[in-house]
Amino acid sequence: ETVLTQSPATLSVSPGERAILSCRASQSVSSNLAWYQQKPGQAPRLVIYGTDTRATGSPARFSGSGSGTEFTLTISSLQPEDIAVYYCQQYKNWPLSFGGGTKVEIK
Amino acid sequence: EVQLVESGGGLVQPGGSLTLSCVVSGFSVSNNYMSWVRQAPGKGLEWVSIIYTDGHSYNTDSVKGRFTISRDNSQNAVFLHMNSLRVEDTAVYFCARVQAGDNYFDPWGQGALVTVSS
Repeated sequence: ETVLTQSPATLSVSPGERAILSCRASQSVSSNLAWYQQKPGQAPRLVIYGTDTRATGSPARFSGSGSGTEFTLTISSLQPEDIAVYYCQQYKNWPLSFGGGTKVEIK
Repeated sequence: EVQLVESGGGLVQPGGSLTLSCVVSGFSVSNNYMSWVRQAPGKGLEWVSIIYTDGHSYNTDSVKGRFTISRDNSQNAVFLHMNSLRVEDTAVYFCARVQAGDNYFDPWGQGALVTVSS
């Protein structure tokens, strides 16, 4: 099973500042990595797929990078509506798996 | 408008059974891969089950032999039949469309809460 480790567990960022979230895989997932945003009481929403492709409706301030085992989600200028938990998910290996999440909060 | 609406959640005793439904509008379940993902209270996401357009399905190991995913094209719906439920199956269960060939999830339903407790 491919284990995804996300860090940090909680990230405090001032509005307008950059947020950088990390996702590390226990084995290579190539570029088969997605990111989801989940706000309290809501379902997850796809933000990034294929490591660096923004999903429909995702603002341009969201960007993804990486390959193999190290991936990053960057929010270039944090907005209040970006407060959420972010999960990475790999779809290279079976079973499909998610990271434990990074909670982004306002400093 | 694309929409996925889950129903059928509730309280069930350990060892009991429950069936979740996911009614879809805006696309056909027959032409799409569909999946169930769950989230235990206060925890992260866990993939549970997937059904392909050819009818083949796969489950995560922890639910093999207990959960079955199915679909009804006439109702445009996907189901999760859950038997021999355990306390650790307590979670919100989300239905989601799977991107064919890439196996990421978009969009998701709002979820249905299943509580297994005596």
